[in-house]
Amino acid sequence: QVQLQESGPGLVKPSETLSLTCTVSGASISDHYWGWIRQPPGKGLQWLGYLSPNDNNDYNPSLQRRVTISVDRSKNQFSLKLSSVTAADTAVYYCARGLGVSNFDFWGQGTLVTVSS
Amino acid sequence: QSALTQPASVSGSPGQSITISCTGTSSDVGGYKYVSWYQKHPGKAPKLMIYDVSNRPSGVSNRFSGSKSGNTASLTISGLQAEDEADYYCSSYTGSSTLVVFGGGTQLTVL
Repeated sequence: QVQLQESGPGLVKPSETLSLTCTVSGASISDHYWGWIRQPPGKGLQWLGYLSPNDNNDYNPSLQRRVTISVDRSKNQFSLKLSSVTAADTAVYYCARGLGVSNFDFWGQGTLVTVSS
Repeated sequence: QSALTQPASVSGSPGQSITISCTGTSSDVGGYKYVSWYQKHPGKAPKLMIYDVSNRPSGVSNRFSGSKSGNTASLTISGLQAEDEADYYCSSYTGSSTLVVFGGGTQLTVL
């Protein structure tokens, strides 16, 4: 069974960098697409970006080049970095496996990241 | 404002059928077969219910079906059950720089 688990700080100060890691079990990072999606409190889902099996990336342009997704194949993990955060980046962050770029069939439980001083 | 438009809420009685619409443009829903639907219970991760417009992942009840006409996709749930009460989100691949867009979500209430 494929399982994903997000990890990282639950509180980040404004202007700092949010860093989250997604640890995957039951599937190889190298064989699938992977994505990050977030949900601000009381709002809908927002796609942040993806990582392809051959290490291609693309990101939501609304994040104004603040987002980076990277991979550590030795640990079967991929990571999200979001720089210069503000209160608007407060959200539950999910990592997910993609059936291609846009259909996400397995999700992590999500982790709440609050941006506050 | 979400890229895809969904009704804020729908409701139905147990055993009835309901349909949730998801309206986009020819640059997303209308232009690609990559429309998906997610069920989300409060505090839980989204669950993929439909992908590529009308395909059901293994383990998803056949009470859930998807379709598309023009720029509007639809999710139909037949034989409503209390456990179906949740938020439902549609999503589509796009031809723009934002590769994946979601709808604003629809709250389904089972009366």
